[in-house]
Amino acid sequence: EAGVTQFPSHSVIEKGQTVTLRCDPISGHDNLYWYRRVMGKEIKFLLHFVKESKQDESGMPNNRFLAERTGGTYSTLKVQPAELEDSGVYFCASSQHTTGQHRYTFGSGTRLTVV
Amino acid sequence: SQQGEEDPQALSIQEGENATMNCSYKTSINNLQWYRQNSGRGLVHLILIRSNEREKHSGRLRVTLDTSKKSSSLLITASRAADTASYFCAEQAAGNKLTFGGGTRVLVKP
Repeated sequence: EAGVTQFPSHSVIEKGQTVTLRCDPISGHDNLYWYRRVMGKEIKFLLHFVKESKQDESGMPNNRFLAERTGGTYSTLKVQPAELEDSGVYFCASSQHTTGQHRYTFGSGTRLTVV
Repeated sequence: SQQGEEDPQALSIQEGENATMNCSYKTSINNLQWYRQNSGRGLVHLILIRSNEREKHSGRLRVTLDTSKKSSSLLITASRAADTASYFCAEQAAGNKLTFGGGTRVLVKP
């Protein structure tokens, strides 16, 4: 099966610009997650979709971040306007089961650099 | 330890040696998972250990879990240069989200 795909793999933008990251989960996976790792820090949870609904968005840092998953398939994460501290690697993951013990499949990440 | 700190944060060993890293967590978990990240790549799931398990093996990997101490360890036996990567533990509690530790950078020298 195809894995989780993220696009772009790298993005360099100027402070104040807008960037949109995309994640295509494994087909049939209802659960989609966004995580990020800013430089030198831990991998932090951003939010969790179940199909097209936001199940948990407690990790979203502020209202400059907007995540969508229209139709319950792929998801986008938009940062507008981007700030320097948004630089880092953004990971997407998907999983099939909603509860219990299940493993996640992560994408390769998008490395975002804000200059 | 992970979950804020990693123990150790970095590890350098010779090929063929064993590598051990530790992880601590704070909440009551459903399971604890270990992931590997090779440079510039995504996170690869290595092993999942349930809260009612104490030890689990997968190939050259051995994971232990001590819920009384809220800690876990990952042992890589007979390391290879290809094991060079960052290793992360992640706790899964009542919700679905994972809480990651800071990771251990492992360098295996040929």
